[in-house]
Formats: sequence, C-alpha cells, structure tokens
Amino acid sequence: NAGVTQTPKFRILKIGQSMTLQCTQDMNHNYMYWYRQDPGMGLKLIYYSVGAGITDKGEVPNGYNVSRSTTEDFPLRLELAAPSQTSVYFCASSYSGRAPYEQYFGPGTRLTVT
Amino acid sequence: KNEVEQSPQNLTAQEGEFITINCSYSVGISALHWLQQHPGGGIVSLFMLSSGKKKHGRLIATINIQEKHSSLHITASHPRDSAVYICAVRNTGNQFYFGTGTSLTVIP
Repeated sequence: NAGVTQTPKFRILKIGQSMTLQCTQDMNHNYMYWYRQDPGMGLKLIYYSVGAGITDKGEVPNGYNVSRSTTEDFPLRLELAAPSQTSVYFCASSYSGRAPYEQYFGPGTRLTVT
Repeated sequence: KNEVEQSPQNLTAQEGEFITINCSYSVGISALHWLQQHPGGGIVSLFMLSSGKKKHGRLIATINIQEKHSSLHITASHPRDSAVYICAVRNTGNQFYFGTGTSLTVIP
C-alpha cells in the first residue's frame, strides 16, 4: 500500500491564482482530513469527510473548498490565493468504526503565496 | 485558549536520559494521539489511547481521563529520537485538535 499520497510537494502561487491540492489513500479509509500547519502553531483542521459524498467544515475553512466523489480521493481547492494561505498542508485518513482508529498522514504540500 | 496544551515547548537532553512530555486538554475526548514529526516534515502516529497506558519499545504513553492529562515518556533517549512530538485529541464528534508540539533534541 502507498498509504496517503499528496501532490504537489511544493508550489508557489501568485496572489489571486487558484490551485487544487490532490490527496489519495489506498487503505479504504472512510474518514479523510485536510490540515494546515503554520510555523509555531498546531495543525488546524480545514475540512473533513466521513465518506464519499459527505464533507464538513473544520476550524479554518474560509478560502478553501473540498469534494469527495470517491472513497480514495479528497482534493482541496484554493480559490483566489492569499498570502495568509502560505502554509504546509497535510492530508490524513483514518478508518472509523465503533472504536476510534489512528490517523495516517500524507507527506505534506508546502505552499507559498506571494 | 487552545484545546490542547503541551509542555515543554522545547527540550534538549543528553543521550540516555529519560524524557517526559506532557499534554493537557480541555475538551471531552474519545481518544488521544501522540504523533512524531521528523525534520523532513513527515508525521507518523506513535500511539492512540483512550485509557491507561501503552508501551512500544522505548516509548510509553499514559493517560488520566479524570485529570485530562497524558504523558509521553522516552526511556534511554537516542539522537534519532530528535523530532517534534505532537499531542492530538479526538473529540466525540470525530474532529481532531492538536497541540503546538514539543521540539526534542537529543545530544550524543
């Protein structure tokens, strides 16, 4: 299994540009998450999904959109990029049944908006 | 105020020392996770626990639900343990809250 994969690894955007961060998992996990990590701060949840076709906002959703058309993929869309969105973005997935399960993280995407 | 507070923020230890990292949280949880983030940025899960104690090699994690507190211990620390250790709690609504991390440096 490849686990959780993210593309791209690095990206520089100009203010106002748009882009999609890709996330794919091959573990058949029902839960998927997008986080951002700013220097000196803890990870913050942007959006999460409990299954295909179902998404919900996290702590910091403004400026982002997501979709979950398949179990495997959970892309994160940035519209009209702003410098405040400069961060490292992590995708994660977990299985969730009656008991909580651990999260598996992707390698991260380092995004700079200038 | 953050839902998850870790201490210390930074920790330097000599190789072989016993290390303790603390985590306090303020929300109701279904589970607590300890994560390790290496200098390259990758994040791996070390432990997930909802009660008691878990041990994996030189790592031990404990949780006290009544006191809303968890500790991560590293015995016989080694330079390869140098990393950022992150405490995260999963609330009953299946959302995660993360501490800001403890940066550990183990000197040979």
